[in-house]
Amino acid sequence: AQSVTQLDSQVPVFEEAPVELRCNYSSSVSVYLFWYVQYPNQGLQLLLKYLSGSTLVESINGFEAEFNKSQTSFHLRKPSVHISDTAEYFCAVSGGSYIPTFGRGTSLIVHP
Amino acid sequence: NAGVTQTPKFRVLKTGQSMTLLCAQDMNHEYMYWYRQDPGMGLRLIHYSVGEGTTAKGEVPDGYNVSRLKKQNFLLGLESAAPSQTSVYFCASSFLMGGGPWDEQYFGPGTRLTVT
Repeated sequence: AQSVTQLDSQVPVFEEAPVELRCNYSSSVSVYLFWYVQYPNQGLQLLLKYLSGSTLVESINGFEAEFNKSQTSFHLRKPSVHISDTAEYFCAVSGGSYIPTFGRGTSLIVHP
Repeated sequence: NAGVTQTPKFRVLKTGQSMTLLCAQDMNHEYMYWYRQDPGMGLRLIHYSVGEGTTAKGEVPDGYNVSRLKKQNFLLGLESAAPSQTSVYFCASSFLMGGGPWDEQYFGPGTRLTVT
């Protein structure tokens, strides 16, 4: 069985400040990890994913996530956020099951 | 490519009415999924399909039925709508033949359903 815990339901932050969205997972097999972003009134879209190799993965818009096997974590970070980053962020894991498991989501609210 | 499309975008039903939500994908994906999204609950899997002609139950299947008669389409039916089914419904697809759990999902824009 696999599960995902997103530790914060809401993260408020000021523009240009750094942010970290936390994600912990559990799985009995090798995992593949994903972060999806959902902008208001839209569907989810892939932000970045970890498959293998380097534990640090980056997205095209400045987000990065680090796979930490010992701590079973895949936290998402950005050194300086913009108003346009305001969205819901979902962590997901897949592995032995082809059906991914999603966390409950973290709402990132960027204030001017 | 249009990706994943959903019809309709909005719908209001009265308790007891029925309706069908249509999902279509043009990426030749093998797997298709229906989720519902409710505040504070994240995404919950209703039903999924691993190929044409197949369906399987997800986490919250009660009150819903699905069919996948064609590879590109996945239909979600509500036979007798209840207020508890008020939600935003998302369809997703993934995996080309030979793909695996390393492949990401592609989501539609959602259908906002209100049952009064």
